[in-house]
Parts: sequence; C-alpha cells; structure tokens
Amino acid sequence: EVQVVESGGGLIQPGGSLRLSCAASGFIFSGHQMNWVRQAPGRGLEWISYISDRGDIRYYVDSVKGRFTISRDNAENSLYLQMTNLRAEDTGVYYCVRQQEYYDSSATNWVVYMDVWGKGTTVTVSS
Amino acid sequence: EVVLTQSPGTVSLSPGQRATFSCRTSHSVATNYLAWYQQRPGQAPLLLIYGASRRATGIPDRFSGSGSGTVFTLTITSVEPEDSAVYYCQQYGSSPPYTFGQGTKLEIK
Repeated sequence: EVQVVESGGGLIQPGGSLRLSCAASGFIFSGHQMNWVRQAPGRGLEWISYISDRGDIRYYVDSVKGRFTISRDNAENSLYLQMTNLRAEDTGVYYCVRQQEYYDSSATNWVVYMDVWGKGTTVTVSS
Repeated sequence: EVVLTQSPGTVSLSPGQRATFSCRTSHSVATNYLAWYQQRPGQAPLLLIYGASRRATGIPDRFSGSGSGTVFTLTITSVEPEDSAVYYCQQYGSSPPYTFGQGTKLEIK
C-alpha cells in the first residue's frame, strides 16, 4: 500500500523547536518530489515547503523561510521538517504529501499534482 | 504569487442536485498545473482532479473539472450525502510556491 505517515508533532512553547518526520512506504521514495502542507485550526490548506527528489532543490513559503528546513533521507525513505523559533501562528496539522509529475506528450508539457497525503501530525505552539 | 479565489464560500444542496464550484486565479494558470481536492471533516485532503480535467484514480465520474486561463470549475453532477466536504483548488506553476484557494464548503441537506 502506498502511504506516508507523519510523526513528531506535539505541544511546544513559542520560540521552541520541533522536528517532524514522514515515513514513506509502498513506492519508490527517491523518485518523487515531496511537500509539507499545513492547516491551521478551522482554516484552509497552506503549502509550506517542497524538496526535489534528490534533495538538492528546496522551496519555502515566505512565512517560514529562515525558520523551517526541509530535508530527506532517500536511503531511509523519510522526509523531515525541522522547525525552529516556532510561533503561535505555526499551530496546525502538518501533512506530508507526495508530488506526482509526468510529461504529457500530447500537450508537450508537464502535469503536476499531489496525490498521496498522510493523516497529518498536530503541532500546537502555546505557552 | 498566484492568488486563487474560490466561490461560493458555502453551498447547501439536496441529494441529486448539481454542484458547481468556481476557482479564479490572479494570473493565468496552465491547465496542467491546476488540481482540486476534497477534504471531509477530520480527514486529510483527497485528490479529485488534476490537469484541470483529469479524474484521479478511483474518483466517481460524477466529479468533473473544466476551465482554462484564470477561470476553473469543479462540477458534481448529482451530489450524494458523502460529498459533504470542503473543496480546494490548487495551482502549481512551473515551480513553488504552490497556492491553494480558500475552499468552498458543500453542505448536503
């Protein structure tokens, strides 16, 4: 079964650090770009970070740049999100998400989407 | 950054009725970079549509997507009780940041 399972969430004080993990199984992890998406309580979805399949290209939403670091270990089929200097507004459910891409030769362009989502891990930043 | 605006905010329908959700983008988005997700209460999002109009594996054919440029639409031809959820559009562009719309909530009477 293709799946990703997040862990590492919890209650943390403002200014603290937390490391989220995502264990992938059922697919060739090293062949996929990966993302973290979060959802604040009662709010919508927010993409926060991307990492290429080899781990050499990373992107972040502006609100977490300089505080969060995405990384991966292809040998361990794992994705990580190191979060530092946490703020109350970082509270939410964090989802690990597989990205899928393929080249559509009929349209001569790439098709991109996120097709496998974990159940999420909850991060609460509060004193 | 491409901003996605979804409408309406909430729609309430009876089983069997047709649902139409709109997603407008601040800049033109290529169809290959537009997807729709369903999120039921307490659950993770589920991919419904990718490439603006291609149904994901296992998604019933009552769900369809269309549109191009800056206006995209998700349609449910005949809603069922289990379709009660929030629906999000998302654009990818050639590289991140990827952005989501704010979501449309579908309530089934």
